[in-house]
Amino acid sequence: DAGVIQSPRHEVTEMGQEVTLRCKPISGHNSLFWYRQTMMRGLELLIYFNNNVPIDDSGMPEDRFSAKMPNASFSTLKIQPSEPRDSAVYFCASSTGDIHGNTIYFGEGSWLTVV
Amino acid sequence: EDKVVQSPLSLVVHEGDTVTLNCSYEVTNFRSLLWYKQEKKAPTFLFMLTSSGIEKKSGRLSSILDKKELFSILNITATQTGDSAIYLCAVLIGSNYKLTFGKGTLLTVNP
Repeated sequence: DAGVIQSPRHEVTEMGQEVTLRCKPISGHNSLFWYRQTMMRGLELLIYFNNNVPIDDSGMPEDRFSAKMPNASFSTLKIQPSEPRDSAVYFCASSTGDIHGNTIYFGEGSWLTVV
Repeated sequence: EDKVVQSPLSLVVHEGDTVTLNCSYEVTNFRSLLWYKQEKKAPTFLFMLTSSGIEKKSGRLSSILDKKELFSILNITATQTGDSAIYLCAVLIGSNYKLTFGKGTLLTVNP
């Protein structure tokens, strides 16, 4: 299994530009999560989907952030317009949601720098 | 608001030492507590704990959960430099399996 695949791995962009991060979850996983990690705040849950439906987006910082999951194998996290304080590592993760053995598998992250 | 608190935030030890990392939580609809190790990239899964008092072990690492006092500990015996990492505690919440993380403990093991 290829695991959770994220792209781009690294992005440097100028303030005000649109940023789109992409994620392909593990095949068969029905839950998908977007996390943001910074030194100050640690790992924060931004939004998660179950069966392609957004369940909880209370962690999305503000209207500049949006996430979609058009099908079971693809999700995007978009920041428009980007700001320097958005610089962080953005992780996508997926899980089966199996109550007996639930673990969440992380992608390798998208390292975003907004200058 | 759901809360997961880890301590200490950072720890420096020498090879061979034993360390204990702490995680306390205040959440609604607790399901499980998970420990992850994060080196340079993504967090990797260590343990999932659902029942109180049952120790989980993997080599030199072990962990236990106390659901009455709402905490868990992760022990690492005979530490090695390869154990240097951020150790993350997370709590699985609710019927939709929302995972809330603590800020992590940065462990540095010096030779």
